[in-house]
Amino acid sequence: DARVTQTPRHKVTEMGQEVTMRCQPILGHNTVFWYRQTMMQGLELLAYFRNRAPLDDSGMPKDRFSAEMPDATLATLKIQPSEPRDSAVYFCASAASGTYEQYFGPGTRLTVT
Amino acid sequence: AQSVSQHNHHVILSEAASLELGCNYSYGGTVNLFWYVQYPGQHLQLLLKYFSGDPLVKGIKGFEAEFIKSKFSFNLRKPSVQWSDTAEYFCAVRAGYSSASKIIFGSGTRLSIRP
Repeated sequence: DARVTQTPRHKVTEMGQEVTMRCQPILGHNTVFWYRQTMMQGLELLAYFRNRAPLDDSGMPKDRFSAEMPDATLATLKIQPSEPRDSAVYFCASAASGTYEQYFGPGTRLTVT
Repeated sequence: AQSVSQHNHHVILSEAASLELGCNYSYGGTVNLFWYVQYPGQHLQLLLKYFSGDPLVKGIKGFEAEFIKSKFSFNLRKPSVQWSDTAEYFCAVRAGYSSASKIIFGSGTRLSIRP
């Protein structure tokens, strides 16, 4: 069945390094969301796109985070430079037009040392 | 600004007990309501949703939720829980009709079931 895929599933990196996370939404879904989940903050919406255009990225630290959709089958979330406080699980979710029913990917567990 | 409150942070029950998890939101207009479940080490999955119509919504795995507009609530219920229901449960609300309206998630309720 159709699923959202995310790569990598796990990433360990050193502070200051660039991190790129990728998401492939379900084919035909035109809305893509990026979330961050930590024990302290819970689930936070970082950014979301509709038809590849950013609709809201107010939850994202602009100085180091960037999100893009180079095409309809790929969304990326980049952190440069990474910091230990960025350690979290990053989830991507997609939704079909008008449904608002989000399908989540398996997440990328990021550890920044 | 709209918000979603889940007042129970951690609920511990024995198998076969009845469950009710609270969810309240702050928005006076039209809302779409969701409950998601996250099993240990897994991603979030949709349990059920309310868009319109019958305020009592039935979802997967025997869960149901009731939308009470006057109380701004959408509580999740299950008459008899199983050990496999151990998970974290998130309530989410989308407010308004704008295509840019985003979904806000509550902080989650961790449910632990004793065998």
